[in-house]
Amino acid sequence: GIQVEQSPPDLILQEGANSTLRCNFSDSVNNLQWFHQNPWGQLINLFYIPSGTKQNGRLSATTVATERYSLLYISSSQTTDSGVYFCAVGGISGGGADGLTFGKGTHLIIQP
Amino acid sequence: DTAVSQTPKYLVTQMGNDKSIKCEQNLGHDTMYWYKQDSKKFLKIMFSYNNKELIINETVPNRFSPKSPDKAHLNLHINSLELGDSAVYFCASSPQKGATHQPQHFGDGTRLSIL
Repeated sequence: GIQVEQSPPDLILQEGANSTLRCNFSDSVNNLQWFHQNPWGQLINLFYIPSGTKQNGRLSATTVATERYSLLYISSSQTTDSGVYFCAVGGISGGGADGLTFGKGTHLIIQP
Repeated sequence: DTAVSQTPKYLVTQMGNDKSIKCEQNLGHDTMYWYKQDSKKFLKIMFSYNNKELIINETVPNRFSPKSPDKAHLNLHINSLELGDSAVYFCASSPQKGATHQPQHFGDGTRLSIL
């Protein structure tokens, strides 16, 4: 099945800093989503971005499908940005049970 | 106006018991899913269900069975609970079959703890 690798696994930043999270995937995809899992365990859908670029406030994402990677940018970090960021993909060839395949996540800590 | 809702949010029970987790979506979606997040926070698909077609991830033990009374509901029933079943279970839905061209919407999760 499709493989998803996220980097870095852990990231500690000061409030106000910018960061870039990366997601590499091993096969063609027709679905790519970025999620933020907050300290309460909720999965917040940040972007649906199988290709192209999107922006939402301080967050933006870019997926280059032909090169099989996606980037999530966080600018002017706030402590509430802390949590785990997941990239999840759906492959054109179909995954197990037709579901999303998740990466292992990037654990982000924003210090005041 | 919750899109995908799961109950209960927390479930604590003893090994060997049978339990169910309920999921409902009010988005009018055709496909629903169950995912498991383990203690290392790794998320993995368990099932997808579309129009009475069930697709099972081959790694899921047959003690787990999804049940769908209608298109808006997909409940997860677990028999003979084991310690390794302790995890957070997420329900999700999408407009179409498979993870194709449409985002999946997730519930808030159910934290299952086996004593």
